[in-house]
Amino acid sequence: DARVTQTPRDKVTEMGQEVTMRCQPILGHNTVFWYRQTMMQGLELLAYFRNRAPLDDSGMPKDRFSAEMPDATLATLKIQPSEPRDSAVYFCAPAVPRDGNTIYFGEGSWLTVV
Amino acid sequence: AQSVTQLGSHVSVSEGALVLLRCNYSSSVPPYLFWYVQYPNQGLQLLLKYTTGATLVKGINGFEAEFKKSETSFHLTKPSAHMSDAAEYFCAVIRGGEKLTFGTGTRLTIIP
Repeated sequence: DARVTQTPRDKVTEMGQEVTMRCQPILGHNTVFWYRQTMMQGLELLAYFRNRAPLDDSGMPKDRFSAEMPDATLATLKIQPSEPRDSAVYFCAPAVPRDGNTIYFGEGSWLTVV
Repeated sequence: AQSVTQLGSHVSVSEGALVLLRCNYSSSVPPYLFWYVQYPNQGLQLLLKYTTGATLVKGINGFEAEFKKSETSFHLTKPSAHMSDAAEYFCAVIRGGEKLTFGTGTRLTIIP
């Protein structure tokens, strides 16, 4: 969806390496969600922000994952160190206030940890 | 608590036949309900949503869904399946708050 740009689109990395995924919602989408999708677990909410402040990160493994929103048009999700079980698709999904806060998904970052 | 149940992880229909994908939710307050579609190697695309008002909601690509409070259902239908409808479909619910809770998805296969 054009409301959000996610990078990288695809990433293959070795176990133990740091991975940073970026999400650029267009200005005005004040609430941003991070979801993870795997075959086994389906779609899981990792964390979300409103007006750059974290509201809920209970779905995120705290020991290796961190999420930030340093400004209104950039959200990041970092994994350090990465593990094979982190292999998944990570979606950024901003909510659009003028559309009843409907959530729209980016194309995802497809992560493979080997 | 809220949950979403999608009946049938795989559904196959013939091209031109009716598509019916089932979704039931549990919620003690009126929910907001959504259907998303995911094509292979792509993100989730919003098909349609129900928030308030008319209970029959029309979405993109000829799909529609009806909110039935008495049955706690929000089934997705399309009168005539097309090959391009082959994808995975997710029902989702918001009850108050903002967080979407997803069902486990239904993979739709279209038989030529």
